[in-house]
Amino acid sequence: KAGVTQTPRYLIKTRGQQVTLSCSPISGHRSVSWYQQTPGQGLQFLFEYFSETQRNKGNFPGRFSGRQFSNSRSEMNVSTLELGDSALYLCASSFTFTGTSGTKKSSYNEQFFGPGTRLTVL
Amino acid sequence: AQSVTQPDIHITVSEGASLELRCNYSYGATPYLFWYVQSPGQGLQLLLKYFSGDTLVQGIKGFEAEFKRSQSSFNLRKPSVHWSDAAEYFCAVGVWRSNFGNEKLTFGTGTRLTIIP
Repeated sequence: KAGVTQTPRYLIKTRGQQVTLSCSPISGHRSVSWYQQTPGQGLQFLFEYFSETQRNKGNFPGRFSGRQFSNSRSEMNVSTLELGDSALYLCASSFTFTGTSGTKKSSYNEQFFGPGTRLTVL
Repeated sequence: AQSVTQPDIHITVSEGASLELRCNYSYGATPYLFWYVQSPGQGLQLLLKYFSGDTLVQGIKGFEAEFKRSQSSFNLRKPSVHWSDAAEYFCAVGVWRSNFGNEKLTFGTGTRLTIIP
């Protein structure tokens, strides 16, 4: 199975511009999450989409938005770019696993990450 | 809200030596715990996970981790490191919400591992 793919891998923009990043999840995965990684703030959750609906959202300004299509591919958009938006943007697709511990069944989602898009804002 | 602390920003070990990376979490219920590794310029690769059952979990590349509820810890270990293990390691906690699945992952700040010959 192909892994999570993200395009483009590298991007250079100037302040005030907008940008759209794309993520194609692993086939069969319906959930896509986005994270921002910076040296100062580390890895921070942006949002999660499941079946074309935003299911969870992190603490980012409204300039950051996303969407998911019927084929589970997702895009995130950042408008009015600021210097501080320079970061590695990671996408993760997830699948629900069910395990058994004794007689107890548990489910959890395992997230598979793409290689990221490196965004530089000048 | 959940949080993760990785107290060691940078660790240097000799090739062949043992390794332990520390991770402490804060969460009111049983968390789902993960260790990821990131090589320069790459995304995150899952090393291992804990969601229930045996508190000692085995992962890929010879790594293991032990969940200790009393200490709120999930330390990563490897008996003998290889030069290829040099990377950044992230501990993460996920929260399960019924009907919604996994909530967001909250990551620690990472530990950079350097291997010396």
